[in-house]
Amino acid sequence: DAGITQSPRHKVTETGTPVTLRCHQTENHRYMYWYRQDPGHGLRLIHYSYGVKDTDKGEVSDGYSVSRSKTEDFLLTLESATSSQTSVYFCAISDETPTGELFFGEGSRLTVL
Amino acid sequence: AQSVSQHNHHVILSEAASLELGCNYSYGGTVNLFWYVQYPGQHLQLLLKYFSGDPLVKGIKGFEAEFIKSKFSFNLRKPSVQWSDTAEYFCAVNNQGGKLIFGQGTELSVKP
Repeated sequence: DAGITQSPRHKVTETGTPVTLRCHQTENHRYMYWYRQDPGHGLRLIHYSYGVKDTDKGEVSDGYSVSRSKTEDFLLTLESATSSQTSVYFCAISDETPTGELFFGEGSRLTVL
Repeated sequence: AQSVSQHNHHVILSEAASLELGCNYSYGGTVNLFWYVQYPGQHLQLLLKYFSGDPLVKGIKGFEAEFIKSKFSFNLRKPSVQWSDTAEYFCAVNNQGGKLIFGQGTELSVKP
């Protein structure tokens, strides 16, 4: 399995609080992605990064921000969590794009009360 | 906007039955196509992929998929399913723009 670690794996928080999810990779892959998985919607791209300090928005970026100060770490921040952001969040990495295979982390389950 | 549609949301089969899961996409240019599988409680794993060449691609665990360009389809097939194939299956399309777009997923339940 690809060396991808997501933390925390489970988090329960309250509406209005900030939340940061971390994705750490040991593969030195250039591309990193944050997806959210919701029933009936599959996986939807939130943000992605194509290098240190280089990020771009995905399909559902509103309410989320990201940062990548090092190759190995990609942080996803919910500035003020809402119940609609209750979801399972997956980090993925890729060594090459556009044809590269994505390798996924184990997921982070976030519940916003 | 580019989109991926999986027509079957939940499929229930008995062991040894044949499987076909539909996937259609809405992008007219060159695409790369993928099927991912997510076993219960696990992360997504690549099942198979199509980049170019033979439109019939074979993946792991006896799965195969056929790319039909004229129909914008990339259906997944398996001649005989097993209980261990119970999982959620996702079709995904990359239009070579750096973003992989996923379908809604199809949940497959195989009864022993």
